[in-house]
Amino acid sequence: NAGVTQTPKFQVLKTGQSMTLQCAQDMNHEYMSWYRQDPGMGLRLIHYSVGAGITDQGEVPNGYNVSRSTTEDFPLRLLSAAPSQTSVYFCASQQGSYNEQFFGPGTRLTVL
Amino acid sequence: EDQVTQSPEALRLQEGESSSLNCSYTVSGLRGLFWYRQDPGKGPEFLFTLYSAGEEKEKERLKATLTKKESFLHITAPKPEDSATYLCAVQTDSWGKLQFGAGTQVVVTP
Repeated sequence: NAGVTQTPKFQVLKTGQSMTLQCAQDMNHEYMSWYRQDPGMGLRLIHYSVGAGITDQGEVPNGYNVSRSTTEDFPLRLLSAAPSQTSVYFCASQQGSYNEQFFGPGTRLTVL
Repeated sequence: EDQVTQSPEALRLQEGESSSLNCSYTVSGLRGLFWYRQDPGKGPEFLFTLYSAGEEKEKERLKATLTKKESFLHITAPKPEDSATYLCAVQTDSWGKLQFGAGTQVVVTP
């Protein structure tokens, strides 16, 4: 199993550009989520999904969109990038309500 | 409002010098407390889940404990390879929404 994979590893955008961060998992997990990690602030939940076709907002959803058309994939879209979205983004998946989450390797995004 | 606070922010240990990391939480209804290890440039790696006060779990040199207000991660006789940032997170709903603390960066020197 590859586990949770994320692409790209690094990305530089200009203010106002849009892009999609890709996340895929091959463990048939129902639950997937996106976090951002900023220095001194820990990981903060952006959006999550409890199954294909079902998504909801986390703590910091503004400026981001998600969709979940398959169990495997959960892309995160930045509609109009802003410097405040410079961060490291992690995708995670989980099987069952109270089990551990498995994290991907992260995408480091810089918005100029 | 739910809060998760980790202390200290950073910890520097000599190899073999045991110590403890603290994770205090104020939440309405704890469903689970998770400990993760994160190496530089990588995603968090799962260590332990604790579900109820009094529970303890061990793995090699690490031992996690849980009370009604806090959790401790004890590192016994650490080695340089234990150097990492240790994150704790709480789950308060029925579907995996985690709230993380800011982490404790541990450096173990030979």
